[in-house]
Amino acid sequence: SAVISQKPSRDICQRGTSLTIQCQVDSQVTMMFWYRQQPGQSLTLIATANQGSEATYESGFVIDKFPISRPNLTFSTLTVSNMSPEDSSIYLCSATSWGSGNTIYFGEGSWLTVV
Amino acid sequence: GNSVTQMEGPVTLSEEAFLTINCTYTATGYPSLFWYVQYPGEGLQLLLKATKADDKGSNKGFEATYRKETTSFHLEKGSVQVSDSAVYFCALSDLQGAQKLVFGQGTRLTINP
Repeated sequence: SAVISQKPSRDICQRGTSLTIQCQVDSQVTMMFWYRQQPGQSLTLIATANQGSEATYESGFVIDKFPISRPNLTFSTLTVSNMSPEDSSIYLCSATSWGSGNTIYFGEGSWLTVV
Repeated sequence: GNSVTQMEGPVTLSEEAFLTINCTYTATGYPSLFWYVQYPGEGLQLLLKATKADDKGSNKGFEATYRKETTSFHLEKGSVQVSDSAVYFCALSDLQGAQKLVFGQGTRLTINP
């Protein structure tokens, strides 16, 4: 199994600022993803974090707003840029490894409130 | 594209009642199907999964069977407990190399003692 740690776990952010969320996995994984869960809503995929190259974004999400890095097989960051109250959400990191029987693991999420 | 539809909540039951949360999906190919649970104030946890038709996933007394003919993956538990109160998400993944998940809207379950 893989254990995924996210930092920060919670934060209150000022409108117009940016925040970077870190995701650390305790073992090498093949795929890493970032999801958003807006209040009372389901999870929506933001992007696939690709090691050493630009992330692959889903429709409705752009790199300027959500820059993502993945410098190695176990670490990724998501930045939420120029935040507005609409960005108040839980941001979740996800990872999967072929060696884990295709199990998809999630971090505990980073709960952001923008004021 | 792929999609997942769950029964609308919230669902409120008494302890020891039988639980069913319906989930149907639309997908091309042969997706894997999952149920995730989110307890109050916690992150998302995998509850159970099934990777091919007629597979039954089970965990903690919960079960779900992958029904290709009805494109369904209903979650069931014979006797619920107060500790089962949570939000339950049905999801599918396209195994064509992507491992991305598509989630249903979630069903909030409350169990009363």
